[in-house]
Amino acid sequence: GQQVMQIPQYQHVQEGEDFTTYCNSSTTLSNIQWYKQRPGGHPVFLIQLVKSGEVKKQKRLTFQFGEAKKNSSLHITATQTTDVGTYFCAGGTQGGSEKLVFGKGTKLTVNP
Amino acid sequence: DAGITQSPRHKVTETGTPVTLRCHQTENHRYMYWYRQDPGHGLRLIHYSYGVKDTDKGEVSDGYSVSRSKTEDFLLTLESATSSQTSVYFCAISEYAYRDEQYFGPGTRLTVT
Repeated sequence: GQQVMQIPQYQHVQEGEDFTTYCNSSTTLSNIQWYKQRPGGHPVFLIQLVKSGEVKKQKRLTFQFGEAKKNSSLHITATQTTDVGTYFCAGGTQGGSEKLVFGKGTKLTVNP
Repeated sequence: DAGITQSPRHKVTETGTPVTLRCHQTENHRYMYWYRQDPGHGLRLIHYSYGVKDTDKGEVSDGYSVSRSKTEDFLLTLESATSSQTSVYFCAISEYAYRDEQYFGPGTRLTVT
């Protein structure tokens, strides 16, 4: 079945450093979503990308969807302690499936 | 936050006992999902529902059953709990299918001893 691989599994940075997490799918995706889960909390939707090559920004966060719609990335510029948490990507497949497949997530810790 | 509640929030049960987790929404969304979250595995879909009495399996459905008799309620049942089902369970809702953002409930931490 469809798989969404996410790397790295863990990332520890100093406050102010940049951070990037990557998602790769074995199949072409119709869309990709990104979620953030704070420690002890539940996943919260950040953004959705649907177009080939799409780039969206939210303040210090930049999201990209690959030209082939098989990969995506989330980049955070100048991390802050409030960025701590686990970031998940989730891909939807073309062909009528009604499910999202989540990557395993990247856990980000920020040293102040 | 979307109006989603899960009950109970914490439960400890013994191997072999039946367990039912409840998800309740006030958003009138069509789609409801049950996920489990385990370290190193991320979020894995157990079952989902696309309407009253309409359900389908996810990637880890063995040992679980679901029911949806009303739009607002989605029940997850472990017929005979096993230690491998110790996990955090999240319910989620969406208005449409995979192209719509999902809103997650606060989660239920289940421990099977």
